[in-house]
Amino acid sequence: DVKVTQSSRYLVKRTGEKVFLECVQDMDHENMFWYRQDPGLGLRLIYFSYDVKMKEKGDIPEGYSVSREKKERFSLILESASTNQTSMYLCASSSMTGPNEKLFFGSGTQLSVL
Amino acid sequence: AQKITQTQPGMFVQEKEAVTLDCTYDTSDQSYGLFWYKQPSSGEMIFLIYQGSYDEQNATEGRYSLNFQKARKSANLVISASQLGDSAMYFCAMRVNNAGNMLTFGGGTRLMVKP
Repeated sequence: DVKVTQSSRYLVKRTGEKVFLECVQDMDHENMFWYRQDPGLGLRLIYFSYDVKMKEKGDIPEGYSVSREKKERFSLILESASTNQTSMYLCASSSMTGPNEKLFFGSGTQLSVL
Repeated sequence: AQKITQTQPGMFVQEKEAVTLDCTYDTSDQSYGLFWYKQPSSGEMIFLIYQGSYDEQNATEGRYSLNFQKARKSANLVISASQLGDSAMYFCAMRVNNAGNMLTFGGGTRLMVKP
């Protein structure tokens, strides 16, 4: 069974802390994505990656960075967490094979920044 | 830029009835794909159905069908014979084929099925 695993389901951090959100997929997918989900706004793309050590900015990259040192792992980093980064974060992966290739999602990390 | 609009923040439907969730999209590209995902309270996003812009027939997957009206740029999800387990958030999404492999999502519709 295909799987995208996010390391934490719930996370509480303080303003100014450095936060790491980890995501691992076991499907040998080339593409990996980080979205944040907020009520009424749907999912918005933060960063994505087509390959190891490669990253591209999405629609809302400000305040975030990413790391992809291995194909299966894609990390989202909040260098200095702020209260407006309180949100649900969803990691996803897909293969490169075609336009109808769907994204597989993890269960999400609900981050609260106090 | 691509945009997806879901105008119904919340909807009720009676168990066993059909329901239509609206989705309109905006793109100047001719080649694109449309997706619907379901998100139950557990948080995981579950893929439901896909429609390509060049597909001539509406997509169907079990109780789910996609009412694709290209000229109106709409891709409504129809759920037949609603079940209590259909209560969830539903997201419409689009991929434009020459814009990488990412999906652009709408704001979502919360569907509540009444027994």
